[in-house]
Amino acid sequence: NAGVMQNPRHLVRRRGQEARLRCSPMKGHSHVYWYRQLPEEGLKFMVYLQKENIIDESGMPKERFSAEFPKEGPSILRIQQVVRGDSAAYFCASSPPYGGPTTDTQYFGPGTRLTVL
Amino acid sequence: SQQGEEDPQALSIQEGENATMNCSYKTSINNLQWYRQNSGRGLVHLILIRSNEREKHSGRLRVTLDTSKKSSSLLITASRAADTASYFCATEAARQLTFGSGTQLTVLP
Repeated sequence: NAGVMQNPRHLVRRRGQEARLRCSPMKGHSHVYWYRQLPEEGLKFMVYLQKENIIDESGMPKERFSAEFPKEGPSILRIQQVVRGDSAAYFCASSPPYGGPTTDTQYFGPGTRLTVL
Repeated sequence: SQQGEEDPQALSIQEGENATMNCSYKTSINNLQWYRQNSGRGLVHLILIRSNEREKHSGRLRVTLDTSKKSSSLLITASRAADTASYFCATEAARQLTFGSGTQLTVLP
């Protein structure tokens, strides 16, 4: 059973370009979470999604950032018109549906390191 | 300070010694989780302790939780050089994990 997969692992963009980060959850997992980690800091929650629904986006910046988790395919975190301050590691996590013994455990992917020039 | 604050920020020990890291938090939680992150890598889930539990073991790891003091500790016994990593506690509420800034553990061979 493959773990959470993220791609690309490294992404370089110039200011003003768009960044698209992809996350495929673990098989059987229906909940996806995105976190951002700035250098020398812990992870900060951004958004929580289930298939075709955004459940909690309280950690998402109000502008330029959006996330989706379509019925088919990976979850996408999209950053429009990137700025230098967007440079960070973006981690995706997934968890199983409610009711199982590991419902509360979030399994993390390897992250995408975004560098904005 | 933020939710899930680890202490100390950095810890350096000799192989074979025990390492203890502490975590304090502010609000009510469903559970508290500890993760490890090797430099430049993703997070590895170590252990989850629920709010109604006081102590939990997993291999060389021992986690305690004191909800009255809003604190948790992670003990790694008989440390190895491979334990060198950053360790984060994360509190969970409403499916949202709130991380501290981590403890950087260095285990010297």
